[in-house]
Amino acid sequence: IAGITQAPTSQILAAGRRMTLRCTQDMRHNAMYWYRQDLGLGLRLIHYSNTAGTTGKGEVPDGYSVSRANTDDFPLTLASAVPSQTSVYFCASSDSRGSGTDTQYFGPGTRLTVL
Amino acid sequence: GQNIDQPTEMTATEGAIVQINCTYQTSGFNGLFWYQQHAGEAPTFLSYNVLDGLEEKGRFSSFLSRSKGYSYLLLKELQMKDSASYLCAPMDSNYQLIWGAGTKLIIKP
Repeated sequence: IAGITQAPTSQILAAGRRMTLRCTQDMRHNAMYWYRQDLGLGLRLIHYSNTAGTTGKGEVPDGYSVSRANTDDFPLTLASAVPSQTSVYFCASSDSRGSGTDTQYFGPGTRLTVL
Repeated sequence: GQNIDQPTEMTATEGAIVQINCTYQTSGFNGLFWYQQHAGEAPTFLSYNVLDGLEEKGRFSSFLSRSKGYSYLLLKELQMKDSASYLCAPMDSNYQLIWGAGTKLIIKP
């Protein structure tokens, strides 16, 4: 593994189903992030984690949950998917959060369609 | 509130120079990032400015004026592969990136 990986690449999901998007990084970065990107809008932060064992809410956290059991993994769970959660989801990581030189590096994304 | 303003789309010719402007309003400021995003791909880091002035990195340069809430990305010697969206993202006082919708740059031969 080099950098950040996400799985699945794409998924079609029935409304009401539970879904976990996976994100793994091998850069030993402390901070990790989940964003969604919708056409015509900027990236919107869903949840973040400053370090293993801690998580925080971003701009649009409703309907999503995260966990950070270790440094490498940061899964995003949709407990009961709704069509408005149709989007492209990007996971990102940075060496630390709270630094002005904190550059975020992105995974390839997961394209999720909720029907 | 926090706001980012970039042109939605720009067109330029291969070999030419293009300047993509970004104005922003944020709660506090801890620098500004520019990212490139090709269609269907992830954003990739281009530049970071925290002090006023111009930062040059090969064909790409980025400028910041904190007092004006203004930045631009300058791309020289345009190549077809530069066709992409360019995302302006200032960092607010909570070290959160505030993302603009991006500028889609179309390069014509």
